[in-house]
Amino acid sequence: NAGVTQTPKFRVLKTGQSMTLLCAQDMNHEYMYWYRQDPGMGLRLIHYSVGEGTTAKGEVPDGYNVSRLKKQNFLLGLESAAPSQTSVYFCASSLRGGDTEAFFGQGTRLTVV
Amino acid sequence: AQSVTQLDSQVPVFEEAPVELRCNYSSSVSVYLFWYVQYPNQGLQLLLKYLSGSTLVESINGFEAEFNKSQTSFHLRKPSVHISDTAEYFCAVSSMDSNYQLIWGAGTKLIIKP
Repeated sequence: NAGVTQTPKFRVLKTGQSMTLLCAQDMNHEYMYWYRQDPGMGLRLIHYSVGEGTTAKGEVPDGYNVSRLKKQNFLLGLESAAPSQTSVYFCASSLRGGDTEAFFGQGTRLTVV
Repeated sequence: AQSVTQLDSQVPVFEEAPVELRCNYSSSVSVYLFWYVQYPNQGLQLLLKYLSGSTLVESINGFEAEFNKSQTSFHLRKPSVHISDTAEYFCAVSSMDSNYQLIWGAGTKLIIKP
């Protein structure tokens, strides 16, 4: 099993450009998450989904959109990238919320110049 | 709002010495507690968790953590560290207060000195 796969692994964007990060999981998990990781700030939840066709805002949703058209995929979009969105982005999935283990992808390092 | 505090951003320790990484959380309700580890240039992976029952939980690689309800803490310990333990360690909590979403600490980098 691949687990959680994120593409791309690295990306450099110019301010104002758009892009989509793809997350795919093969564990039939219901819950999927997008986090950003910045030095000294731990993980901050951007958006999450509790099932196919559903999405919800997390702690820092501004500037991002998501879609979960298929259970196994969770897409994160940046409509107009800003330097403040320079970060490492992690996707994760879990069977359900609360007490179950979250499985993480390898991360996407995004730089906005 | 629920919060998780990892007071130490870095903990340097000599190889084969003991280590404790501290985690405190703010919640008065029943909680689920987790420690995740992130090795360099990798994603996070679960190290151990407390859901209920025995307050002392262990991982397969010698780490242990103890849930202390009165002190709202879940400190991570290892009696003898190895160079391979070099990583960043994150404490996380979920409860009804957070709608069962994980709330993360800022992380502690464990630096093993040879």
